[in-house]
Amino acid sequence: DAKTTQPPSMDCAEGRAANLPCNHSTISGNEYVYWYRQIHSQGPQYIIHGLKNNETNEMASLIITEDRKSSTLILPHATLRDTAVYYCIVRADPNFGNEKLTFGTGTRLTIIP
Amino acid sequence: EPEVTQTPSHQVTQMGQEVILRCVPISNHLYFYWYRQILGQKVEFLVSFYNNEISEKSEIFDDQFSVERPDGSNFTLKIRSTKLEDSAMYFCASRRLRPLGEKLFFGSGTQLSVL
Repeated sequence: DAKTTQPPSMDCAEGRAANLPCNHSTISGNEYVYWYRQIHSQGPQYIIHGLKNNETNEMASLIITEDRKSSTLILPHATLRDTAVYYCIVRADPNFGNEKLTFGTGTRLTIIP
Repeated sequence: EPEVTQTPSHQVTQMGQEVILRCVPISNHLYFYWYRQILGQKVEFLVSFYNNEISEKSEIFDDQFSVERPDGSNFTLKIRSTKLEDSAMYFCASRRLRPLGEKLFFGSGTQLSVL
């Protein structure tokens, strides 16, 4: 799986949009971008994933650049409960096997009241 | 939302003892996983399990580890002879069969402390 690079930490004011960047310049054509988060020491929680189109769900939006070398996770109205470590994970097409997710060190997002 | 349930939440054991960590995956899920996280370190994949057999495992998952689905609801991780370095938070996860690449649902974890 391609390597990802994320800033180690970020702050965001409560109520504002949190924009978390991820660089995955070595991503290949069949690799997806996944975002998970881990609140304190709880189990990771799925947020969103995409291949090349922008995606939106009830939690967040995922913007993938046209060349797919980077992406941004957007939490539109951050709350204190969004304080967590956010992981950007690039993963091969599961149609070809490879069940595992490879977690990096992620971005520690702190929402400031 | 349905949840993956793990028991116990904390387990303390002596080095060399066997431990069994238990998980109840979401009822209609067919893929099961174990991950672990040593304090302050990354979340690491251990094993995936489908159709009553291991589909993928990591280098960490050596002969001391085994997994089992003893009945229709439980999924267990056994460590035969625990070492100090097995101390970690162990997370169980599950997902549906389709679509492939479906999101994983993680449990809240079992904190294993080996003394």
